[in-house]
Amino acid sequence: KQEVTQIPAALSVPEGENLVLNCSFTDSAIYNLQWFRQDPGKGLTSLLLIQSSQREQTSGRLNASLDKSSGRSTLYIAASQPGDSATYLCAVPSPYKLSFGAGTTVTVRA
Amino acid sequence: DTAVSQTPKYLVTQMGNDKSIKCEQNLGHDTMYWYKQDSKKFLKIMFSYNNKELIINETVPNRFSPKSPDKAHLNLHINSLELGDSAVYFCASSQVDPDTQYFGPGTRLTVL
Repeated sequence: KQEVTQIPAALSVPEGENLVLNCSFTDSAIYNLQWFRQDPGKGLTSLLLIQSSQREQTSGRLNASLDKSSGRSTLYIAASQPGDSATYLCAVPSPYKLSFGAGTTVTVRA
Repeated sequence: DTAVSQTPKYLVTQMGNDKSIKCEQNLGHDTMYWYKQDSKKFLKIMFSYNNKELIINETVPNRFSPKSPDKAHLNLHINSLELGDSAVYFCASSQVDPDTQYFGPGTRLTVL
């Protein structure tokens, strides 16, 4: 059974700092890994999907790395802004379902 | 245009009642899902459907009955609601599995 862990549970940084969010998973036989953002009271927005064959995936200020062998992914957010405040979730697929971590709640202070 | 929509957004009801949540996707996807997010914000799969066929039922009580009348819709009916059913329920869809999943805005169910 796939177990997904995210550390830290919460993070507070001043505006402009880079963010580093960690995700680990127990079964390294994955198809891909997805990072989502969830704003309070809202649904999930897909940020990045990184395929198992990739080491990195980038979108704007976001960069996700994947190390399958060690069961880890890291989401980097460069030059954080108050608008980046949200909960970030990583998820790993098994057939016909995603297993989610508990999320990292990020607060970027102006 | 909303890609994955859910109705209602909020649902407040008494214990023992029966209620339904509707989900529609206009993305032309083949696979749809229901997830439950509990009070600790942990998201867990409930059901998965592919081409209207049930693929996964993740040990959900049989008071929960999903129905997919066509590929664009996956509704969730809940009988005899209990306090522990209070949560946010999310519908999602994907073109194929395990492609990117697109989530609806969620339905916050409160059972009193």
